[in-house]
Amino acid sequence: SQQGEEDPQALSIQEGENATMNCSYKTSINNLQWYRQNSGRGLVHLILIRSNEREKHSGRLRVTLDTSKKSSSLLITASRAADTASYFCATTSGGSNYKLTFGKGTLLTVNP
Amino acid sequence: DAGVIQSPRHEVTEMGQEVTLRCKPISGHDYLFWYRQTMMRGLELLIYFNNNVPIDDSGMPEDRFSAKMPNASFSTLKIQPSEPRDSAVYFCASSPLETRDTQYFGPGTRLTVL
Repeated sequence: SQQGEEDPQALSIQEGENATMNCSYKTSINNLQWYRQNSGRGLVHLILIRSNEREKHSGRLRVTLDTSKKSSSLLITASRAADTASYFCATTSGGSNYKLTFGKGTLLTVNP
Repeated sequence: DAGVIQSPRHEVTEMGQEVTLRCKPISGHDYLFWYRQTMMRGLELLIYFNNNVPIDDSGMPEDRFSAKMPNASFSTLKIQPSEPRDSAVYFCASSPLETRDTQYFGPGTRLTVL
């Protein structure tokens, strides 16, 4: 069953613009992760934020977590055509840090 | 490191046939996961192993699906008999104990059952 729901389902922007994707989830979590999937490829881990953290940065990525609203956002700054991909949030909850539950993803298209 | 290796990359078979998907995790990783991805249901965890032992197979859809991990460097996911609704991309992922939250995915096997 789906835990995370990404919003929007699809996003199209111009190179150099910022892209923001949101994820909402239903139950309490241990951590929330973001993965990227290029067309026809496997998923690549981008960043992880724990339930006691509110914000995290990695390069051009910024992730926020609001546990009171059960939501997270992923911001990609100064986007590039190479950022074109699907982005998924995934959560772990309960006693397991290994059982990831994925959302359906946001398809980001960055136009050159 | 070569990353997670999956074979075959594409498989086309007819309904009723047995299908075996293969995975070689990253050397030294303690955890191995099998996922299925479809447009309708997204990414679903089927089963995962810790040190070659199945820990949680609650995501395995039916008795037609089985998974094994005979050693630390090899796992199989078998579907017997296959049905058209099994058509999907199947991913294998592995993770090390030290950073067990992070999973490393293989390129996937695209299965088409006619």
